[in-house]
Amino acid sequence: DGGITQSPKYLFRKEGQNVTLSCEQNLNHDAMYWYRQDPGQGLRLIYYSQIVNDFQKGDIAEGYSVSREKKESFPLTVTSAQKNPTAFYLCASSPLGGDTSNYGYTFGSGTRLTVV
Amino acid sequence: AQSVSQHNHHVILSEAASLELGCNYSYGGTVNLFWYVQYPGQHLQLLLKYFSGDPLVKGIKGFEAEFIKSKFSFNLRKPSVQWSDTAEYFCAVDLGAGSYQLTFGKGTKLSVIP
Repeated sequence: DGGITQSPKYLFRKEGQNVTLSCEQNLNHDAMYWYRQDPGQGLRLIYYSQIVNDFQKGDIAEGYSVSREKKESFPLTVTSAQKNPTAFYLCASSPLGGDTSNYGYTFGSGTRLTVV
Repeated sequence: AQSVSQHNHHVILSEAASLELGCNYSYGGTVNLFWYVQYPGQHLQLLLKYFSGDPLVKGIKGFEAEFIKSKFSFNLRKPSVQWSDTAEYFCAVDLGAGSYQLTFGKGTKLSVIP
């Protein structure tokens, strides 16, 4: 079955360390996204990418970095500059163009990051 | 930038009660509208979506939503809830073709009491 795989499911980080969250999709979607979910805050967009080797900042990009070297992969690095990284991180993908029956966003199962 | 408001943070209902969750957005142009559900410990699932056409949209699990353009609203409804509907519900909006950026409301937790 096609879908989005995020790993690991749980991640613990010491303060001052960078960590990278993995996101892989086999849906052949062009666009990929990273969201952060905090209780009572909904989901907020961190970064998105519509094409390989190109990406744009979302609403809360500070302290995060991404790369898009392959269509299938969109890893997120949480850097030591992120002041409050403890959160649930969700990756998503969507097709670009096409008819509306195919349009929509598919989400992964998430990574819960805790700073210890 | 667009924003999405969900009116209720937490809704508690008894089984068989009717449900309506409010959602308003703040963009005057063409929008695509979505409702997602997140069951405890699970990932986001799409309940229904609206792009154009009939403003009354039917989704999975007996949910429906009505798009009222004049009110910038997209409220979610279900005539009779079940205990298994206990979850968090998110309304989301994108700005149509070319934008592909989904903006979420803060979510509404629904607790259904058996």
